[in-house]
Amino acid sequence: NAGVTQTPKFRVLKTGQSMTLLCAQDMNHEYMYWYRQDPGMGLRLIHYSVGEGTTAKGEVPDGYNVSRLKKQNFLLGLESAAPSQTSVYFCASTRRGIDRADTQYFGPGTRLTVL
Amino acid sequence: GQNIDQPTEMTATEGAIVQINCTYQTSGFNGLFWYQQHAGEAPTFLSYNVLDGLEEKGRFSSFLSRSKGYSYLLLKELQMKDSASYLCAVRSGGYQKVTFGIGTKLQVIP
Repeated sequence: NAGVTQTPKFRVLKTGQSMTLLCAQDMNHEYMYWYRQDPGMGLRLIHYSVGEGTTAKGEVPDGYNVSRLKKQNFLLGLESAAPSQTSVYFCASTRRGIDRADTQYFGPGTRLTVL
Repeated sequence: GQNIDQPTEMTATEGAIVQINCTYQTSGFNGLFWYQQHAGEAPTFLSYNVLDGLEEKGRFSSFLSRSKGYSYLLLKELQMKDSASYLCAVRSGGYQKVTFGIGTKLQVIP
């Protein structure tokens, strides 16, 4: 049981390049999330998904796209990277519902630098 | 929208007790979480409160007052390994969205 995994762990891009971050969870969770974490800003929600085939915008969605073709995977795409997207990206998942068990489980993070 | 406030930094001595406060403003409150995040690592779950009162789990306790929009995390018998950031997060609405505070960086000194 690996929990939540993220690929890659580190990446350096040039402005204008594209890339996809992969998040995978093996806990059969319904909900998945992508956050970015910047100094002094805390974790901010980019996009989220409440089930296979569904996605929705979070707090800071501009410049990102997502897809949830399989329940266990949640992809985050940057079509044309900008220096402002330099950040640490965390994926998280949660089972579903409103009880104590529904905490978010986080992946290890992807450290992205855009030059 | 939501607004979550917590101190940016705190320092405490090994073996002591420290209280980290969190205040929030939100509609549709559906629970408050505390996470611990060591430098360079992912956040990990510490505690959850949805009803008023104190939840105790070993050296860690968390308190919630919904009417005051206030929570605190209490860490007892501080250890050096408790040096980390502590994130207050509020869940609201029907889609399980969670909003995080900026986190409180706690430094434990000998």
